[in-house]
Amino acid sequence: KQEVTQIPAALSVPEGENLVLNCSFTDSAIYNLQWFRQDPGKGLTSLLLIQSSQREQTSGRLNASLDKSSGRSTLYIAASQPGDSATYLCAVRGNQGGKLIFGQGTELSVKP
Amino acid sequence: DTEVTQTPKHLVMGMTNKKSLKCEQHMGHRAMYWYKQKAKKPPELMFVYSYEKLSINESVPSRFSPECPNSSLLNLHLHALQPEDSALYLCASSLTGGAGETQYFGPGTRLLVL
Repeated sequence: KQEVTQIPAALSVPEGENLVLNCSFTDSAIYNLQWFRQDPGKGLTSLLLIQSSQREQTSGRLNASLDKSSGRSTLYIAASQPGDSATYLCAVRGNQGGKLIFGQGTELSVKP
Repeated sequence: DTEVTQTPKHLVMGMTNKKSLKCEQHMGHRAMYWYKQKAKKPPELMFVYSYEKLSINESVPSRFSPECPNSSLLNLHLHALQPEDSALYLCASSLTGGAGETQYFGPGTRLLVL
């Protein structure tokens, strides 16, 4: 059974810092991995989708990497801003398709 | 239009009430999803519709009844809910339901069952 873990559960950084959020998964037979952002009480916004054949994806200040063999993904946020404050969720999809399996999320707070 | 809309934003209901949640998208997507999210927890999949047919039901109690009247609209009918059903209910859609697709989420309906 696939399990997804995100560490740390919460992170507070000063504005301008570069930071890394971690996601690990127990079964490396994944189809893809997706990073989402969720603001309090709101829906999820898809940030980056990495297919299993890819090593990384970039969008603006965000860079997500995938190491399928070790069961890890990282989300790198450059030059963090207070507007980046949110909960970041990673989710994997198994090779048989099926549902997204989410991690518990990392709650990020960027202080001005 | 790249938006999934959900109504109402908030809903308070008693355990004997019947209510419905509505989700709409006009992106031409043929797969639509209902998720339930408790506070400080990740979303949990409830139902998947693909081409207006129910393709996945994650063993959800029958007091939750989904309906997909057309390719743009997804409803969730609620009846005889329990206080533990209080949560944020999220709707999502994707192009065809394929494994490689991004899912687009709505803002959610926050439900409180008294």
